[in-house]
Amino acid sequence: GDSVTQMEGPVTLSEEAFLTINCTYTATGYPSLFWYVQYPGEGLQLLLKATKADDKGSNKGFEATYRKETTSFHLEKGSVQVSDSAVYFCALRVPISNFGNEKLTFGTGTRLTIIP
Amino acid sequence: NAGVTQTPKFQVLKTGQSMTLQCAQDMNHEYMSWYRQDPGMGLRLIHYSVGAGITDQGEVPNGYNVSRSTTEDFPLRLLSAAPSQTSVYFCASSYQRARGSATQYFGPGTRLTVL
Repeated sequence: GDSVTQMEGPVTLSEEAFLTINCTYTATGYPSLFWYVQYPGEGLQLLLKATKADDKGSNKGFEATYRKETTSFHLEKGSVQVSDSAVYFCALRVPISNFGNEKLTFGTGTRLTIIP
Repeated sequence: NAGVTQTPKFQVLKTGQSMTLQCAQDMNHEYMSWYRQDPGMGLRLIHYSVGAGITDQGEVPNGYNVSRSTTEDFPLRLLSAAPSQTSVYFCASSYQRARGSATQYFGPGTRLTVL
């Protein structure tokens, strides 16, 4: 079945460090790929997305490139800030019904803490 | 727009009690869904709905019921709560044709503890 495997956490970095959170997936067909972020006490928010191979999603200094050949969608940021401390979820979207709708399959989440 | 709202934010139940988690959205989204979030397991789909009057099961539907009488509301019912249902529950919505650039919007979550 469809699945997402992401880097185990927690990850602790100093401010201005370079961030990589690895994400690989298994899916039939051509899924769309997403990164969601969950700040403490809040729901999930879409951070970025890519809908086809070689697309690069970007937002708030974060980037991820849809690599079909390596089935990966790694999240990167060149210089993290304390405000980036959150839990990050990689997800893929595939069809689930004859109605043409799709569901999200999530990874287990990676908790990121940035130290001043 | 208020987006996706959920009530209550926190709830403690005793085993065997019943309750309904409320979810509402004001974006006229046809697709709504319920997820539960457990440590080390990410989010798992419980039930979803593609429009008023239409619901279907997700990955972990046992112990939960849903109905969709209006486009705006999608309540999740626990008929007889069990400790295994202790979790954080998220409601989400999106346009029906959830392909391409469509986005799922999540509510703030309900933290449920079953004793």
